[in-house]
Amino acid sequence: DSGVTQTPKHLITATGQRVTLRCSPRSGDLSVYWYQQSLDQGLQFLIQYYNGEERAKGNILERFSAQQFPDLHSELNLSSLELGDSALYFCASSVAAGASYEQYFGPGTRLTVT
Amino acid sequence: AQSVSQHNHHVILSEAASLELGCNYSYGGTVNLFWYVQYPGQHLQLLLKYFSGDPLVKGIKGFEAEFIKSKFSFNLRKPSVQWSDTAEYFCAVKTSTDSWGKLQFGAGTQVVVTP
Repeated sequence: DSGVTQTPKHLITATGQRVTLRCSPRSGDLSVYWYQQSLDQGLQFLIQYYNGEERAKGNILERFSAQQFPDLHSELNLSSLELGDSALYFCASSVAAGASYEQYFGPGTRLTVT
Repeated sequence: AQSVSQHNHHVILSEAASLELGCNYSYGGTVNLFWYVQYPGQHLQLLLKYFSGDPLVKGIKGFEAEFIKSKFSFNLRKPSVQWSDTAEYFCAVKTSTDSWGKLQFGAGTQVVVTP
């Protein structure tokens, strides 16, 4: 157990819908990262927050957005869902931002869009 | 564009065999290098990491990796695998141009160890 929790574990929804994935970082960690793991794209960095502020953006679609709340949990919002959005979405956290801090990964949310 | 390449997508080997997984990256600056493992149904776990110093790093569960700067490589090795090493292995890189620390992952290598 990494100490990072993600809910829900599984999510099945239809195209065109909107979902919210939730991540609670390890106690004391200020930085949260979101990654998408799909069969064709592999593990891709989506977005990073540090202490409530967006710090880095990767290959995140405009239909996707995220935020980090004052209690440091984070939510990833996916809207106008398409079949290709089906993937495993991981959240990771680290005590601070920067290259020297280890990232701890949550168990992931498996999203299936039908 | 910066990238991380893992040479093998699938590896099947018997218990007690030696394992070596290749990883190359394309970035000319300073890098931090990682190997993560994902056991079936579980989250990603850090096996080992290289930041600086001795290019041969030892990780958990008997794994080690060697950083060869001239070859832009960070290959993972284990002298004798066990059935419990069946998992997917990911090489990842953080580059010096990214001060916020996002990881770039390779495509992963699925390793199956047969009894």
